[in-house]
Amino acid sequence: AQTVTQSQPEMSVQEAETVTLSCTYDTSESDYYLFWYKQPPSRQMILVIRQEAYKQQNATENRFSVNFQKAAKSFSLKISDSQLGDAAMYFCAYRSPGSGANNLFFGTGTRLTVIP
Amino acid sequence: EAGVVQSPRYKIIEKKQPVAFWCNPISGHNTLYWYRQNLGQGPELLIRYENEEAVDDSQLPKDRFSAERLKGVDSTLKIQPAELGDSAVYLCASSPGIAGVSEQYFGPGTRLTVT
Repeated sequence: AQTVTQSQPEMSVQEAETVTLSCTYDTSESDYYLFWYKQPPSRQMILVIRQEAYKQQNATENRFSVNFQKAAKSFSLKISDSQLGDAAMYFCAYRSPGSGANNLFFGTGTRLTVIP
Repeated sequence: EAGVVQSPRYKIIEKKQPVAFWCNPISGHNTLYWYRQNLGQGPELLIRYENEEAVDDSQLPKDRFSAERLKGVDSTLKIQPAELGDSAVYLCASSPGIAGVSEQYFGPGTRLTVT
């Protein structure tokens, strides 16, 4: 089974600064998908960004970008110009490709605090 | 577009009592997932439906948990009897079911406390 590791239980960042959240994963597959989800206190998981393993270019969504290192099995999330609304739990997740393998495997999460 | 709807949002029960959670996925989404999220952990899949068929229930504790998705739309997850260790957030998610491109959309979850 795939495993996802987030080694930072908590992180903090000053408002308007940049923070990077780490994620590593273990898999024997060559093709897969990686995701970062945000979970605010409301508990609803919100997709932040996704990366297809076959794409070499790192995904970017506005202030959010990833550093995808396939050989190192590393998938970090960078949040630029941090805002108070970014405070939440962030989960890294892995998914195999294919119609019979839509299950997401999540890491244990990183709690991000944004300091005004 | 309405999102994934779950009810109730909170439930407190005594151990050995039954409990049920309800989920209404996004209209047109064929795939439905139930996840359990223990405190301080990421969600873990309990069961996945493709339309009305449970295609992956390998992580569902079948001695006390059951689920159904009649007519391939709404779904109900039941626990009977509940144990203290069942205290968690139960998340429902749905996706269009198109392999390789489908994003999972999550509901707000039900926080279960078993006393």
